[in-house]
Amino acid sequence: DAGVTQSPTHLIKTRGQHVTLRCSPISGHKSVSWYQQVLGQGPQFIFQYYEKEERGRGNFPDRFSARQFPNYSSELNVNALLLGDSALYLCASSLGDRTPYEQYFGPGTRLTVT
Amino acid sequence: AQRVTQPEKLLSVFKGAPVELKCNYSYSGSPELFWYVQYSRQRLQLLLRHISRESIKGFTADLNKGETSFHLKKPFAQEEDSAMYYCALSSHNAGGTSYGKLTFGQGTILTVHP
Repeated sequence: DAGVTQSPTHLIKTRGQHVTLRCSPISGHKSVSWYQQVLGQGPQFIFQYYEKEERGRGNFPDRFSARQFPNYSSELNVNALLLGDSALYLCASSLGDRTPYEQYFGPGTRLTVT
Repeated sequence: AQRVTQPEKLLSVFKGAPVELKCNYSYSGSPELFWYVQYSRQRLQLLLRHISRESIKGFTADLNKGETSFHLKKPFAQEEDSAMYYCALSSHNAGGTSYGKLTFGQGTILTVHP
């Protein structure tokens, strides 16, 4: 198993544009979480999805949205991009939605907004 | 609101010396705490969690609720321990169930010199 995969690896967008980031969890994992990591900071929680339902949402504006598909893969969408959205976006998958289940992180998607 | 503080951004030690990475937290409930590590050009991965009470790669961490701390310790540092270390806390919902949302500290870069 390749582990959690994310696409694309890098992305450059212009202010005001829209972006979609994709995540494929480890086979058998039903939970996907998204984190934003700004340079020099720790990852910040954006969303958690389990069995296609939103289980948690961090302190992010409504420009950020996500969904989980029947195969448990997930998309993170960001509308009306701002310069401050430039960051590494991490996806993590786990077997379940509770903390006893270890979260496995993907390599991230580096988003640059110009 | 929960918060995790790692007061040292950088920590340098020599091989064979003891190392302690500090982590303090603020949380109104009963915390679940973790240490994550990111080696150069690798993904973020779980190092240890307080509920396991285990030693991983010679590292241990004890939860001190009185001091609200979860410091990571190793008696004899090795060069391969050089990495970025994040302390993280798991949140609970109103019903007391712990979900997968992790709150991370800013991270400490550990460098072990030969």
